[in-house]
Amino acid sequence: NAGVTQTPKFRILKIGQSMTLQCAQDMNHNYMYWYRQDPGMGLKLIYYSVGAGITDKGEVPNGYNVSRSTTEDFPLRLELAAPSQTSVYFCASSYSDGGPLYGELFFGEGSRLTVL
Amino acid sequence: RKEVEQDPGPFNVPEGATVAFNCTYSNSASQSFFWYRQDCRKEPKLLMSVYSSGNEDGRFTAQLNRASQYISLLIRDSKLSDSATYLCVVFSGGYNKLIFGAGTRLAVHP
Repeated sequence: NAGVTQTPKFRILKIGQSMTLQCAQDMNHNYMYWYRQDPGMGLKLIYYSVGAGITDKGEVPNGYNVSRSTTEDFPLRLELAAPSQTSVYFCASSYSDGGPLYGELFFGEGSRLTVL
Repeated sequence: RKEVEQDPGPFNVPEGATVAFNCTYSNSASQSFFWYRQDCRKEPKLLMSVYSSGNEDGRFTAQLNRASQYISLLIRDSKLSDSATYLCVVFSGGYNKLIFGAGTRLAVHP
């Protein structure tokens, strides 16, 4: 099993450019998440999805958009990139029946984005 | 006050030492607790869940104190390979309330 796969691993953007970070999981997990991690900081939730067709904002959604058309894929779109979006982005997935989280979050290897 | 607080460290310890990390959380309704390990420039990986009765996995022991709202991680007989950042994670209902601490960095030296 590949687990959670993120692409690209590294990207440099110019201010104002747009791009999509891809995330795919092959574990049939219903929940998927996008986090960003700034140096010395905890992971901050950008968006999450509880299933195909359902997405919701996390703590820091501004400047981002997501879609979840299939169980497997959860792309993150950055519109009009800004230097403040320079960060490491992690996609994660988990299985849940909607109750408290008792299971593990599986993370992708991360995508390092620099906006200049 | 941050929802989840950890001492950032670094904790510099020799091989074989015992080291303990604490993590405090502000939401008394928090339901489940975890320790994740993150190696430098890598993704976080689950180290262990933290149960109310406390739990042990080899050299690692996790404790939960709901009254004082903190969880702890004890590492015995530290190995060089234990060098990493340890993230405290608290679930407080709703997946937008899975809160990660900033992490405690551990450096084990020969």
